[in-house]
Amino acid sequence: GAVVSQHPSRVICKSGTSVKIECRSLDFQATTMFWYRQFPKQSLMLMATSNEGSKATYEQGVEKDKFLINHASLTLSTLTVTSAHPEDSSFYICSARGSRTTNEKLFFGSGTQLSVL
Amino acid sequence: GQQLNQSPQSMFIQEGEDVSMNCTSSSIFNTWLWYKQDPGEGPVLLIALYKAGELTSNGRLTAQFGITRKDSFLNISASIPSDVGIYFCAGTSGTYKYIFGTGTRLKVLA
Repeated sequence: GAVVSQHPSRVICKSGTSVKIECRSLDFQATTMFWYRQFPKQSLMLMATSNEGSKATYEQGVEKDKFLINHASLTLSTLTVTSAHPEDSSFYICSARGSRTTNEKLFFGSGTQLSVL
Repeated sequence: GQQLNQSPQSMFIQEGEDVSMNCTSSSIFNTWLWYKQDPGEGPVLLIALYKAGELTSNGRLTAQFGITRKDSFLNISASIPSDVGIYFCAGTSGTYKYIFGTGTRLKVLA
């Protein structure tokens, strides 16, 4: 299957700092990328959808000024958690949706465990 | 956000047993996807289904796209310890939006 690379896999930061998470599609062009948040023992909750070259679409209740998403190319999307607080600690996962050749399949990155002290 | 009903929520089974889980939706989907997630990792795609009634296998895994297009089933035959994990279904009606199931937590006893 297609490969989506997500970095870093784990990050610990101080409260008030910003953290950037990268999501890359390695062997296909991702027309759309998605960012999720997952709490322990729960399902994935969609935060936002980004299309290359346009502004991200945020789900209800997700602060766009806090979770900045940039999708500058067809293979890279970034999520920046600005002024992180302990309640932002969570597992963040990206996914990428390819073109018609991948038949609408969603491929996931390996996730980023964020811990804010 | 919206989620699909997935059952069972969790199950403990003996190694060698078969496993069945399902997902139901109030909406019609035209694509169903099944994923497995290991702790601390992202979900890995197992099977994709595109047509009502479609039955697709991937090794010991078999999934079916329900005739009503509102449900899907995943079966695992002859389970082994490495099958442990959380299984998620996901559906889409062709828009960019994918709706995820609540997950089935599988534990296999050797």
